[in-house]
Amino acid sequence: DTGVSQDPRHKITKRGQNVTFRCDPISEHNRLYWYRQTLGQGPEFLTYFQNEAQLEKSRLLSDRFSAERPKGSFSTLEIQRTEQGDSAMYLCASSNRGQETQYFGPGTRLLVL
Amino acid sequence: GQNIDQPTEMTATEGAIVQINCTYQTSGFNGLFWYQQHAGEAPTFLSYNVLDGLEEKGRFSSFLSRSKGYSYLLLKELQMKDSASYLCAVRAGYSTLTFGKGTMLLVSP
Repeated sequence: DTGVSQDPRHKITKRGQNVTFRCDPISEHNRLYWYRQTLGQGPEFLTYFQNEAQLEKSRLLSDRFSAERPKGSFSTLEIQRTEQGDSAMYLCASSNRGQETQYFGPGTRLLVL
Repeated sequence: GQNIDQPTEMTATEGAIVQINCTYQTSGFNGLFWYQQHAGEAPTFLSYNVLDGLEEKGRFSSFLSRSKGYSYLLLKELQMKDSASYLCAVRAGYSTLTFGKGTMLLVSP
């Protein structure tokens, strides 16, 4: 069990560019979550998958954001036409149905210039 | 909606005991979690309460009162490495967590 992994760990991009982040959950976990965290705040929920189905999306998730989990394993989060306000830490977490705890990955820190 | 309140900052001395409070308002309460987060790192799980009472795990204990919408995290025998942000999170339903803004704890020698 290697824990939740995320790639890249850091990303610097220019405003208007598209970025994509990857999350690999703990192998037996069927639930996967994306959160966003800015300085001095707690993580804010973005979206949630059970297996390959996207079951819930936050109102925070504008139409520039899209997430997929095509085979029920890893997930990608894409941000199109990035804005400076998108600068944040993007956290992925996973859990298993019937177990309550979400385990977080190390996060991807995004800076939009 | 959900509302979670916790103090912004606390300070304590190495070897002491500190209690971090969290109050919440939510519908469909289904568990309260405490996470520890060091600067620049991901949150790590500390404790989970769904029933009233105290859960003890080594130097860390967490208490829940559902009727009062109140929880606390108790840290004993404080160490310098306990300096971190402590996040209170509430689950409503069966999926997502709503986090408070976190309490920054500074442990001094």
